[in-house]
Amino acid sequence: GENVEQHPSTLSVQEGDSAVIKCTYSDSASNYFPWYKQELGKRPQLIIDIRSNVGEKKDQRIAVTLNKTAKHFSLHITETQPEDSAVYFCAATLSGSARQLTFGSGTQLTVLP
Amino acid sequence: DAGVIQSPRHEVTEMGQEVTLRCKPISGHDYLFWYRQTMMRGLELLIYFNNNVPIDDSGMPEDRFSAKMPNASFSTLKIQPSEPRDSAVYFCASSFGQPIAKNIQYFGAGTRLSVL
Repeated sequence: GENVEQHPSTLSVQEGDSAVIKCTYSDSASNYFPWYKQELGKRPQLIIDIRSNVGEKKDQRIAVTLNKTAKHFSLHITETQPEDSAVYFCAATLSGSARQLTFGSGTQLTVLP
Repeated sequence: DAGVIQSPRHEVTEMGQEVTLRCKPISGHDYLFWYRQTMMRGLELLIYFNNNVPIDDSGMPEDRFSAKMPNASFSTLKIQPSEPRDSAVYFCASSFGQPIAKNIQYFGAGTRLSVL
């Protein structure tokens, strides 16, 4: 089955700086990679996703890059704000067939004012 | 739509008691997932259903755990008997499985279970 590793487990940045979270996956057949944000005491919510036929996707201050050859993908948050503080989870799955997501272990991002 | 609805939001019980967690998926969604979240193990998929049929229950920790989906709008996760190590937040999520759709899973607010 799929295995997803996520780094770092914790990340602290100054407000306004950029944050990068990296994930690697094991199953080369995986083709859909979402990122979820979970604020303290809340539910995980999708913030951005990317399919394997795309190398990069951007949505305002967040972007995701995918390297299929190396089997890794990354979340980039620019101009970080205190409200970006949360746990971020990457995930991988085979879109169109099996539906289960394999989640990474999560990254606790803290944006310091 | 109100989103995925879980109940109860909090459950405190004593070891050995039966616990039943409930989930109502988003109307029209044909996939339903049960997850368990702990600090030590992160988000673990326990079981998921497609059109009310269990597809993969390999994540269910042991026979004390069981899940049912009697119809498209309701699912339960039961723990009997409960143990302190079952204390966790249990999330239910649902998604729409058509090929043109992404695997976007929408999570409920979760049930925080404490087994004393």
